[in-house]
Amino acid sequence: GAVVSQHPSWVICKSGTSVKIECRSLDFQATTMFWYRQFPKQSLMLMATSNEGSKATYEQGVEKDKFLINHASLTLSTLTVTSAHPEDSSFYICSARPGQTNTGELFFGEGSRLTVL
Amino acid sequence: GNSVTQMEGPVTLSEEAFLTINCTYTATGYPSLFWYVQYPGEGLQLLLKATKADDKGSNKGFEATYRKETTSFHLEKGSVQVSDSAVYFCALSEGSGNTPLVFGKGTRLSVIA
Repeated sequence: GAVVSQHPSWVICKSGTSVKIECRSLDFQATTMFWYRQFPKQSLMLMATSNEGSKATYEQGVEKDKFLINHASLTLSTLTVTSAHPEDSSFYICSARPGQTNTGELFFGEGSRLTVL
Repeated sequence: GNSVTQMEGPVTLSEEAFLTINCTYTATGYPSLFWYVQYPGEGLQLLLKATKADDKGSNKGFEATYRKETTSFHLEKGSVQVSDSAVYFCALSEGSGNTPLVFGKGTRLSVIA
């Protein structure tokens, strides 16, 4: 199956700093990638849809200035958590769908655990 | 809008017990349905899928049948193992390309020896 890779898998940062998480599709091109945030009670929240070459589409309630998304190429999307605070600590997961599939399944990265001190 | 409702956990079973995790959905069209599994500290992996009514998805001993009449996609396994301990997510998709999956809240399964 298709492979999606995230980096870093975990990161610890100080409050007020910015952190960048990369999401790559390794064996396919993805014009669209999706960023999810997973809360401690395990539910997944869609944060935004990342579109190659254009602005991301954010879900209601997600601060676009805080969670900057850039999708500069067909295989790379980045999520930057700006001026991170402890409440931003979470597990962030990206996903993508190969363009040729018509079954709708998404392939997920390994996730990135962010801890803000 | 589309939504997925799955049984709340946690679910604790003894090894070799029968597993059912209920999932029902609401959709405007004809969605594809999925079960994903998340092992501790990892991302989500596709477990099985069904793309049309009456399809049965199966993998690793798990099965789920797409029931349009009851809008359900219940996950079953006849004999669980300790290694099946994970969080299971039911999800639906009504398209491809730029439509995200809609997930249920997840059900944590713990299997004890």
